[in-house]
Amino acid sequence: GAVVSQHPSWVICKSGTSVKIECRSLDFQATTMFWYRQFPKQSLMLMATSNEGSKATYEQGVEKDKFLINHASLTLSTLTVTSAHPEDSSFYICSARWAGVQETQYFGPGTRLLVL
Amino acid sequence: GQQLNQSPQSMFIQEGEDVSMNCTSSSIFNTWLWYKQDPGEGPVLLIALYKAGELTSNGRLTAQFGITRKDSFLNISASIPSDVGIYFCAGQPSKSQGGSEKLVFGKGTKLTVNP
Repeated sequence: GAVVSQHPSWVICKSGTSVKIECRSLDFQATTMFWYRQFPKQSLMLMATSNEGSKATYEQGVEKDKFLINHASLTLSTLTVTSAHPEDSSFYICSARWAGVQETQYFGPGTRLLVL
Repeated sequence: GQQLNQSPQSMFIQEGEDVSMNCTSSSIFNTWLWYKQDPGEGPVLLIALYKAGELTSNGRLTAQFGITRKDSFLNISASIPSDVGIYFCAGQPSKSQGGSEKLVFGKGTKLTVNP
């Protein structure tokens, strides 16, 4: 299957700092990427849809000024958690949409964020 | 919005047993995907289904796209300890029913395999 990478895999930061997470599709071009958040023992919660060259579409209840998304190329989307607070601590996972004949989504390995 | 009902929520089985889990929806889906997630990692795609009635295998895994397009099941035969993890179904709703490229996820089935 297609490969999606995320960097960093984990990050610990102080409250008030900003953290950038990168999501890359390594062997295919992804016009659309998705950012999810996952709480312990729960399913994935979609935060936003990231489209190359345009503004991201955020799900209801997700602050767009808090979670900045940039999709600068067909293989890279970034999520920046601005002014992070302890309640932002979570597991963040991206996925990339493979729009071939049979469309599917491939997920990155996730980024564990801990805000102290 | 659309929801997927995934069952069972958890399963405890002995190594060598077969496993079956399923997802149902009240609306029609165009695509069904089955993922496995290990602790601390992202979901890994196991099987993708695109046509009603489609039956697809991947090693010991078999999944089917229900003919009503509102359900799918995943079977695992002769389970082994490394099958442990959380299995998620995901579907892409039909555009005629207001669907988009966004996936709808089930809540997951946690599988425990006793050696």
